[in-house]
Amino acid sequence: IAGITQAPTSQILAAGRRMTLRCTQDMRHNAMYWYRQDLGLGLRLIHYSNTAGTTGKGEVPDGYSVSRANTDDFPLTLASAVPSQTSVYFCASSDQVSNTGELFFGEGSRLTVL
Amino acid sequence: GQNIDQPTEMTATEGAIVQINCTYQTSGFNGLFWYQQHAGEAPTFLSYNVLDGLEEKGRFSSFLSRSKGYSYLLLKELQMKDSASYLCAVSDSNYQLIWGAGTKLIIKP
Repeated sequence: IAGITQAPTSQILAAGRRMTLRCTQDMRHNAMYWYRQDLGLGLRLIHYSNTAGTTGKGEVPDGYSVSRANTDDFPLTLASAVPSQTSVYFCASSDQVSNTGELFFGEGSRLTVL
Repeated sequence: GQNIDQPTEMTATEGAIVQINCTYQTSGFNGLFWYQQHAGEAPTFLSYNVLDGLEEKGRFSSFLSRSKGYSYLLLKELQMKDSASYLCAVSDSNYQLIWGAGTKLIIKP
């Protein structure tokens, strides 16, 4: 089934640990995004990539890094997790060639940092 | 700064009509999106408006007035499965999406 796959779906992590959230898409979309979603707040963009080999910072990039070695994969790394990074993380992709810019989301990764 | 406002929560009755409003102030405008998000799930695309007017898609319609910085999502013949959060998002001058906090819609029998 075509779409976006995120892993893990849920994780409890000790503060200070390193964590990588994986994201893979098979739609050959050129653009990919990482968002965090917190109660009472809108989706906030962490990092994005408009095409393989390029990345950019979003609204809340501090404490996170990404890479885009190929079209399909866009992992998000927390180098040293802190409790404020407890959130639900969504990976998304879009085909920027289309005129709607519709985003396709993964199912989310729920991260708890203790 | 950039801002998207929508009501936090709304309640409606099964079979009725509900209108969810969204007002925005952004640096530039390249379209407005509505997404639906059921609890514990990912957002899914509902509609896209870039020109003023009403776009109808089955039971759902979306309206845009760029001069007023205003949009609404209209849901007709409400069903229990429509209970979800509805997210308004605006594409700004850099084609980055600015998201509202979402409106939680509760449908009662």
